[in-house]
Amino acid sequence: EAGVAQSPRYKIIEKRQSVAFWCNPISGHATLYWYQQILGQGPKLLIQFQNNGVVDDSQLPKDRFSAERLKGVDSTLKIQPAKLEDSAVYLCASSPTSVNTEAFFGQGTRLTVV
Amino acid sequence: LAKTTQPISMDSYEGQEVNITCSHNNIATNDYITWYQQFPSQGPRFIIQGYKTKVTNEVASLFIPADRKSSTLSLPRVSLSDTAVYYCLVGDTHTGGFKTIFGAGTRLFVKA
Repeated sequence: EAGVAQSPRYKIIEKRQSVAFWCNPISGHATLYWYQQILGQGPKLLIQFQNNGVVDDSQLPKDRFSAERLKGVDSTLKIQPAKLEDSAVYLCASSPTSVNTEAFFGQGTRLTVV
Repeated sequence: LAKTTQPISMDSYEGQEVNITCSHNNIATNDYITWYQQFPSQGPRFIIQGYKTKVTNEVASLFIPADRKSSTLSLPRVSLSDTAVYYCLVGDTHTGGFKTIFGAGTRLFVKA
């Protein structure tokens, strides 16, 4: 079974530039999550989708971050404009449509803002 | 949302049993307890999940007392490859999905 795919694996940008990350969840998984993991910390949930609808985006900095999940499959996370403090690993995860089930994570995209 | 408290780090030797305890005093009735493992440069990986008493799989055991205010992840006979960060999560049942809140985790270092 194919896992969660993310791209790119690494990205270096200058502050104030924009960047986008892509995620392809496991086939058939209705729930998709984006996390931000700063070095030395646990992952922080940014946004959760159920199919193509947003379930929770309470911790998404909406002035600069946006995410979409068109057609309830792939998802993109965008940052515009980037700040130095956005340097982190951005993880995508998916899970089947039910509560309290395990989430499957991708390898993440390491973003460095200089 | 229930918060979790874990030790920041633990050391062990190969072949030993490791027990990592997590406190979650405000756990709700519908919450499950889930543990994840994370290696450097990889996303977290599911280890085990439980609601009460004891759960065992091929990798670990999870012990949950009757009051469910804590849980213990038990790793039997650890090896060097078990060196990783272990996260304890308490699942909050939201409409439409499982909301996972990660704490800082426990860094386990296994020595030869």
